[in-house]
Amino acid sequence: QVQLVESGGGVVQPGRSLRLSCAASGFTFSSYGIHWVRQAPGKGLEWVAFISYDGDNKYYADSVKGRFTISRDNSKNTLYLQMNSLRAEDTAVYYCAKGDILTGYRFDYWGQGTLVTVSS
Amino acid sequence: DIQMTQSPSSLSASVGDRVTITCQASQDIDNYLNWYQQKPGKAPKLLIYDASNLETGVPSRFSGSGSGTDFTFTISSLQPEDVATYYCQQYDTLPFTFGPGTKVDIK
Repeated sequence: QVQLVESGGGVVQPGRSLRLSCAASGFTFSSYGIHWVRQAPGKGLEWVAFISYDGDNKYYADSVKGRFTISRDNSKNTLYLQMNSLRAEDTAVYYCAKGDILTGYRFDYWGQGTLVTVSS
Repeated sequence: DIQMTQSPSSLSASVGDRVTITCQASQDIDNYLNWYQQKPGKAPKLLIYDASNLETGVPSRFSGSGSGTDFTFTISSLQPEDVATYYCQQYDTLPFTFGPGTKVDIK
């Protein structure tokens, strides 16, 4: 069965960096685009970034563009999110979500999420 | 960016009731709309894709309709396990955007 397991969250000071990982299993990872979606405490869902199956295409929300970098290692079935210059407003649960095979933009499986807290 | 609105923001209904949530996009998104269910403390789950298609394994009491800017999500007979927040999401145009959510609970 499809599994996505995020890790790397924690408490970090404003301005510092953090790297999240998402380990995938149960499907052919190298065939699917993958997204990061976040949810601030008590708030709604916000799409953060997308990477195509081969890593050639990457898209970002304006709120993270220039600070966050999405990447993947298909040999390790792992997705990453490098987060630099973190701000208090980046505090959220970060989910990785698998895109569907047809469009890539339907989030058909989600991980359990990892909490990032940006605080001094 | 395309803005998504949902109404109501919350509702309370009895078991067996028909529940309807509306979602409106700020511009035409054709049928590029999905619906997700998020139970407390859990990750979201895809229920409906392309406005009206039921995801595999999702109970048939859930349905969706609409096209363009106006969409509807319906639970035909509310069950206790349907207590959750429901989100619409457009994927017509980057950035992909979600509605603010509708919290559904049992009266």
